[in-house]
Amino acid sequence: AAGVIQSPRHLIKEKRETATLKCYPIPRHDTVYWYQQGPGQDPQFLISFYEKMQSDKGSIPDRFSAQQFSDYHSELNMSSLELGDSALYFCASSKRTGNEKLFFGSGTQLSVL
Amino acid sequence: SQQGEEDPQALSIQEGENATMNCSYKTSINNLQWYRQNSGRGLVHLILIRSNEREKHSGRLRVTLDTSKKSSSLLITASRAADTASYFCATDGGQFYFGTGTSLTVIP
Repeated sequence: AAGVIQSPRHLIKEKRETATLKCYPIPRHDTVYWYQQGPGQDPQFLISFYEKMQSDKGSIPDRFSAQQFSDYHSELNMSSLELGDSALYFCASSKRTGNEKLFFGSGTQLSVL
Repeated sequence: SQQGEEDPQALSIQEGENATMNCSYKTSINNLQWYRQNSGRGLVHLILIRSNEREKHSGRLRVTLDTSKKSSSLLITASRAADTASYFCATDGGQFYFGTGTSLTVIP
């Protein structure tokens, strides 16, 4: 069965650079969530989209933005990267109806040097 | 965390023993879910319990929910070394928030 696909798997950037993370949800899932997980930390909710519209916003810095496209894939854009942005970034998808379980991608490991 | 706390933060048991993890949350919920995460990997859904349910079983997993205390527990019976992972509860009160997680180590 198709799963949530994230790319790239690993990303190394310098301070002040820009990064774009991509997420392809499971087909027919209408909701996408982005989470940030620092080393040894719990996943922190960043932002979510339902039917291509932003539905909720969590601890997402102003330097970050995200969108969901017509094909339901989502991109997380991160600018002016800081050392503290180094983390594992997860995307998850679900079907909003019934608010069922989240399916997670394998994550993108971002390292800011 | 954004939503709640889990305890213990770390748990080490012998293979075959039972492991119990607790989760407390802050807001009203539609459902509560437990996820497992192996180091550096994505989270995998284990079990979902709805706000009108008190207990649910799935294989070696047993979950309880007490909405009056805003708490849940996850019991893993007859633990195996392969159960070694971090376990998170996540609540859906319109959005999914994760607790701080319990790191479980099962010693063979």
